Amino acid sequence: EGQLLESGGGLVQPGGSLRLSCSASGLTFSSYAMSWVRQAPGKGLEWVSSISGSGASTYYAHSVKGRFTISRDNSKNTLYLQMNSLRADDTAEYYCATGGMAVATSMDVWGQGTTVTVSS
Amino acid sequence: DIQLTQSPSTLSASVGDRVTISCRASQSLSVWLAWYQQRPGKAPKLLILKASTLQRGVPSRFSGSGSETDFSLTISSLQPDDFATYYCQHYKSDSLPVTFGGGTAVEIK
Repeated sequence: EGQLLESGGGLVQPGGSLRLSCSASGLTFSSYAMSWVRQAPGKGLEWVSSISGSGASTYYAHSVKGRFTISRDNSKNTLYLQMNSLRADDTAEYYCATGGMAVATSMDVWGQGTTVTVSS
Repeated sequence: DIQLTQSPSTLSASVGDRVTISCRASQSLSVWLAWYQQRPGKAPKLLILKASTLQRGVPSRFSGSGSETDFSLTISSLQPDDFATYYCQHYKSDSLPVTFGGGTAVEIK
């Protein structure tokens, strides 16, 4: 069964940048579309971004478009989320997740999450 | 964008109770709806896909039903492990953004 492990979270000032990573094992990474989902403290789940297996197609939530960039390195079985121009409302637990080849899918494999705090 | 409205937002119940959570979509989803369970401090766990298909390893006391715009998740006999928050999520083919419902917290009565 596939496993995902996020890293790269931390404390960053407003306007700053951070890059999250998600390392995959136990699945044929290049065949799987991947997504980032976040959860602000005490709030619900919010889809952030998705990328196709090849990396050719990317999709973003309105709230992060133009500031965040999703990418992947299939040779390293790793997914990334480059976050620029961070704002206080980007503070959240960030999860990577996947459910198969389709970009829009149910997600049966999740990482444990990495915490991003945007504060001065 | 497709909106998902869950009700109730909070549900108080006892062990052994039958509980039902509703999820209503702003447009037709056919059967492209999933349900997740999330315990505090943990990642979400997929329970149901395609509105009514039980994910492997999920206990049979969980069931999903519905289509188009009206869906429900039922727990036939609530167990101590089931006190958690539940989310619905649509994944209509090639229809992004994917969205989640606001969540339903199932609490001990």
